[in-house]
Order: sequence, then structure tokens, then C-alpha cells
Amino acid sequence: EDQVTQSPEALRLQEGESSSLNCSYTVSGLRGLFWYRQDPGKGPEFLFTLYSAGEEKEKERLKATLTKKESFLHITAPKPEDSATYLCAVQAETGANNLFFGTGTRLTVIP
Amino acid sequence: KAGVTQTPRYLIKTRGQQVTLSCSPISGHRSVSWYQQTPGQGLQFLFEYFSETQRNKGNFPGRFSGRQFSNSRSEMNVSTLELGDSALYLCASTVRGAGGQTQYFGPGTRLLVL
Repeated sequence: EDQVTQSPEALRLQEGESSSLNCSYTVSGLRGLFWYRQDPGKGPEFLFTLYSAGEEKEKERLKATLTKKESFLHITAPKPEDSATYLCAVQAETGANNLFFGTGTRLTVIP
Repeated sequence: KAGVTQTPRYLIKTRGQQVTLSCSPISGHRSVSWYQQTPGQGLQFLFEYFSETQRNKGNFPGRFSGRQFSNSRSEMNVSTLELGDSALYLCASTVRGAGGQTQYFGPGTRLLVL
């Protein structure tokens, strides 16, 4: 059964304090791993897609990496506007297009 | 390009009623997926439509149904509402590129069942 576990559930950082969010996954063949950001009351905003182990992608202060069992979202020198819930999702190779989501990490960056 | 739009944004219904939610995907996208988001379960897949056909369905009761029109707009319907149906209902539009596919989400419809 597909499973996605994100840790920690919540994270408080001082502005400028770098850290990493973890997404561990079990899937019957990975087609893609997705990271989204979600602000309160809004829909998830797409950040990255990773397809194979060793792949890395960057956007501003965010960098996503992928291994065969987990993905990390590294946040470098975060700012208060990075406060949000970060969601990880996997898509299996079964042919279905649906995403299987973790429960997210709620990040708070304190000025 | 306009993003995914969902209407209405907020709804309040009572138990036993039915509700219809609407989603317009990004122009040119033909695949629409629906998800339910609750604090306890997170985001869970409901169903996917492509070219007016349901292509995939999640593990939800038959009270949850959907359809897609020829212009790719989609609706989902929930009949005989229960308190547990209170949730944020999200619609996603899928784009396929050289590297794979990406789902872009709308703002959601917040449904409260009293």
C-alpha cells in the first residue's frame, strides 16, 4: 500500500535558521514525488517534481532532493513569508494519475 | 493564463442535503482531479476525469459522484450530506510535459455541514 510520512509535523524556526523537512515514502514504483506549499484557506501551490533518486531541484530558498526512500525539502535562511504547510505527495507507476499525500509539515518562521 | 477556478468558495449545508461543486481547469487542460482535505485525514483523492470520462476513483462512498463536460469543466456532487463531509474540496488541473505531469490546484470550496 502506498504510504507517505512527513516529519516533523510542525517546525518553528527563527528567521535565517536553515533546516530540512523530511518525506518518507513507500510506493509500488515511483512515477514522481511532488512538493507543494499550502497557505491557510488556500489550495496547494506547486513547488517541485522529482522523478529519480539523486535528482535535486531548487527555487529561491528551497531545495528538494530525492533518494529511493525519502525526499528532503531544505530551507536555507528562511523568511517569515516562508511560513506555510509543506505537503509531499507521490504518484505511483500503476497508471493512475492520482497523488497520494502526506499530512504535511507546518512551518512557522519567527522574525 | 488563468488558474484553476472553483465555485462556490464557501457553502453551508445541513445533514441530508445534497451539494454540487464546480471546477474550471486551466485553459487547454483536459484532466481534472478532485480531492477532499480534512484536518484528520489530509488530502485524499476522490476521482479523476479526462475527456468527460471518469478515469480513476478513490475510496469514497457512492454518495460522492462527479462528471465532466465537453469544455473540460467538472462538477462533483455529494448527496445525503453527513457531518463528516465537512471539508475543503480541491480541484486540480493536470498538465503533461516532457518530464512528466504536474497537478495545479484551485483555491478550493469550503463545505460546512451542520
